[in-house]
Amino acid sequence: GAVVSQHPSWVICKSGTSVKIECRSLDFQATTMFWYRQFPKQSLMLMATSNEGSKATYEQGVEKDKFLINHASLTLSTLTVTSAHPEDSSFYICSASVGDTQYFGPGTRLTVL
Amino acid sequence: AQRVTQPEKLLSVFKGAPVELKCNYSYSGSPELFWYVQYSRQRLQLLLRHISRESIKGFTADLNKGETSFHLKKPFAQEEDSAMYYCALFGGSRLTFGEGTQLTVNP
Repeated sequence: GAVVSQHPSWVICKSGTSVKIECRSLDFQATTMFWYRQFPKQSLMLMATSNEGSKATYEQGVEKDKFLINHASLTLSTLTVTSAHPEDSSFYICSASVGDTQYFGPGTRLTVL
Repeated sequence: AQRVTQPEKLLSVFKGAPVELKCNYSYSGSPELFWYVQYSRQRLQLLLRHISRESIKGFTADLNKGETSFHLKKPFAQEEDSAMYYCALFGGSRLTFGEGTQLTVNP
């Protein structure tokens, strides 16, 4: 089956620093990947849609200059949280679509001190 | 705008009892609906989708357009069914999730 990996699985950083999260499709090519954010005991909220070779499409209320998304290849999308602050602490999950099915990564726990 | 509502955050049943996880949606177009499941310490994974009309792990879900519902059912719950269940709607090139229902099946 389609497998999506994320790296790192968890990261702790100081306020003001930037953090990069990688999302890879391991055994398939994904022209579209999605980035979600999940707060404790809440649902997944779509942040942006990442399209290979073009700019990401951000959801309303998501700052594109703060959450930089790069989808340079058909198997890799990255999310960079710039100038991270404690309120950015969350669980970030990516997914990649195959047809109408999305396959999810295991998530990355970000803690900003 | 599209919206998915799961009215029950928590649901607890005994092993062997029937279980129904409710899901209602709001969408102006023709919806594609899914159920995703997340077992403890595992990633989110697809359980079933309405277009395939299949039964996975004994679970079924029927799309009722009149009631705008897509409830998930299983006649005899098992302990291994304990997990977080999310109903999701695909429309407008995006997947919108409900808030999830934590199902606990007690022995």
